Amino acid sequence: DVVLTQTPSTLSATIGQSVSISCRSSQSLLDSAGNTYLYWYLQRPGQSPQLLIYLVSNLGSGVPNRFSGSGSGTDFTLKISGVEAEDLGVYYCMQATHAPNTFGAGTKLELK
Amino acid sequence: QVQLQQSGAELTKPGSSVKISCKASGYTFTSYDISWIKQRPGQALEWIGAINPGSGGTGYNEKFKGKATLTVDKSSSTAFMQLSSLTPEDTAVYYCARAELYYWYFDFWGPGTMVTVSS
Repeated sequence: DVVLTQTPSTLSATIGQSVSISCRSSQSLLDSAGNTYLYWYLQRPGQSPQLLIYLVSNLGSGVPNRFSGSGSGTDFTLKISGVEAEDLGVYYCMQATHAPNTFGAGTKLELK
Repeated sequence: QVQLQQSGAELTKPGSSVKISCKASGYTFTSYDISWIKQRPGQALEWIGAINPGSGGTGYNEKFKGKATLTVDKSSSTAFMQLSSLTPEDTAVYYCARAELYYWYFDFWGPGTMVTVSS
């Protein structure tokens, strides 16, 4: 199975600070059709996960544009440009290029 | 509006089975795959498998073959997951999620069903 390694595991930030989360894959997530099925989800405390980013860099419906995704192949990054209080929670990357779908271990974003 | 309503918490004994449900509304049930995802307390997410409600076709994570069985009832727009031979390691929240048609992301999630396995 594809292993997704997220760093850091915990991130402390102040409101307004910009932060980045890394997701590194054990193999390339580029498929033969040229698509990269890498996603980012946020799980707020006590809630179900919600989509932030799909196909590396596309913003999900209703997701604020302070969130952005980038990367290719095996290295991917989620950036939050100006953390807000509602952004606190655990961030997961997920891949669906190779069966089975796998998730990273998560990055917990907390207030400093 | 799209909603996935899941059945309530379950307390079960080791060795038993449990069947949890995910009732869909607000869209054409047979047009979107439903996936099931496991989250043990304080742990990351694990994809269990998916079912195409239209065809009944399934795909499983090898890790969950023999543990989870996915079915649907089209008449009630409900997806089911049965977990068998339960052990304490099956104690978790189980989510159902709808998979978007073209890019495969999970665009709507149920609230989760807590399954506790304890003697």
